[in-house]
Amino acid sequence: AQSVTQPDIHITVSEGASLELRCNYSYGATPYLFWYVQSPGQGLQLLLKYFSGDTLVQGIKGFEAEFKRSQSSFNLRKPSVHWSDAAEYFCAVGAHNAGKSTFGDGTTLTVKP
Amino acid sequence: SQTIHQWPATLVQPVGSPLSLECTVEGTSNPNLYWYRQAAGRGLQLLFYSVGIGQISSEVPQNLSASRPQDRQFILSSKKLLLSDSGFYLCAWSAGQGYEQYFGPGTRLTVT
Repeated sequence: AQSVTQPDIHITVSEGASLELRCNYSYGATPYLFWYVQSPGQGLQLLLKYFSGDTLVQGIKGFEAEFKRSQSSFNLRKPSVHWSDAAEYFCAVGAHNAGKSTFGDGTTLTVKP
Repeated sequence: SQTIHQWPATLVQPVGSPLSLECTVEGTSNPNLYWYRQAAGRGLQLLFYSVGIGQISSEVPQNLSASRPQDRQFILSSKKLLLSDSGFYLCAWSAGQGYEQYFGPGTRLTVT
């Protein structure tokens, strides 16, 4: 069975600082990997996805993530955080025709002015 | 382009009353559809998913049920609400199993 772990429940960074949110997955084959963002009281929005090919993927809002098969990780990064990035971030893993995706428990990002 | 709608946005219901939340998708055919619940400060709990009309998979035993009467319509129901049914309910669709999901705006349900 597939699983996703987001080790950090809550992260606080200063505005303008760099950000890295960790995601580790467990899956027997090559996974599809996703990052979503959720602002308070809203639905989730897809930030980026990895299916195959280049292991560094670019997403919306200046985010990127790198797939590292040897570490079973798909960490999300942003070089300079803006106050509007404060939100809940979810990592998810899926696979083609292999059932539903599995979501991590989320990481809450707080941005200090 | 594809759009997903959920209504109502907010709902306050007494314990023991029935529930019906509706989700519709526009701009795509034969989507996979999902219902999630999010308790305050918690992650997503998958409640039901559907790969086609009349095909519903339940993830957890509970007081809720789901139906898919039309290709792009997904309904979450309960005959008698419990206090523990309170939460934020999210509908989502995907183009296939394992693919990225697109979420609706959610329904905030408070059972009193």
